[in-house]
Amino acid sequence: LAKTTQPISMDSYEGQEVNITCSHNNIATNDYITWYQQFPSQGPRFIIQGYKTKVTNEVASLFIPADRKSSTLSLPRVSLSDTAVYYCLVGDDQAGTALIFGKGTTLSVSS
Amino acid sequence: NAGVTQTPKFQVLKTGQSMTLQCAQDMNHNSMYWYRQDPGMGLRLIYYSASEGTTDKGEVPNGYNVSRLNKREFSLRLESAAPSQTSVYFCASSEPGQGFYGYTFGSGTRLTVV
Repeated sequence: LAKTTQPISMDSYEGQEVNITCSHNNIATNDYITWYQQFPSQGPRFIIQGYKTKVTNEVASLFIPADRKSSTLSLPRVSLSDTAVYYCLVGDDQAGTALIFGKGTTLSVSS
Repeated sequence: NAGVTQTPKFQVLKTGQSMTLQCAQDMNHNSMYWYRQDPGMGLRLIYYSASEGTTDKGEVPNGYNVSRLNKREFSLRLESAAPSQTSVYFCASSEPGQGFYGYTFGSGTRLTVV
């Protein structure tokens, strides 16, 4: 799996848009970019996945430039409940591989 | 409710004791995983089972053994617990080919070794 680099922590206020950038310079052709969210005392849960360009769902948007060496998770109008750790993962889901998590980005949202 | 069930939820062990953490999933997933998470850290992969009958080491396998009992169940055993194994343990399952979005995690087992 390609190594990823993301900020250790970020702070925001309610109602703001938050952008978390992940660097993955060694991404392979078949790799997808996946983001997970983890609340305290819970297991991680899937947020969004993409391969190129832009992906949007009811929770977030994922922006991927043409060279795919980085990606940006965008959370619109965050609330206190968005305080969590966000993990960027890159890889090709084939039998015999497993998700390897880094330390993630701890997002703290204040009122 | 469909998902991944872990037992027990909490456990305190004395150094040198052994125990088995149980994990079961009812989503008919082929792959199952065990992770540990220390305070302020990300999850680290201990062992995984890509399919029934196979197991492979992850990032931090030392001090642990696993058994893929059947397609539904994947257990993690600590033969001689050490304080360094104090952690929160998460089990997960997935179906290969559905993308990394398909991982489902259990609620965790909080283990303290004194």
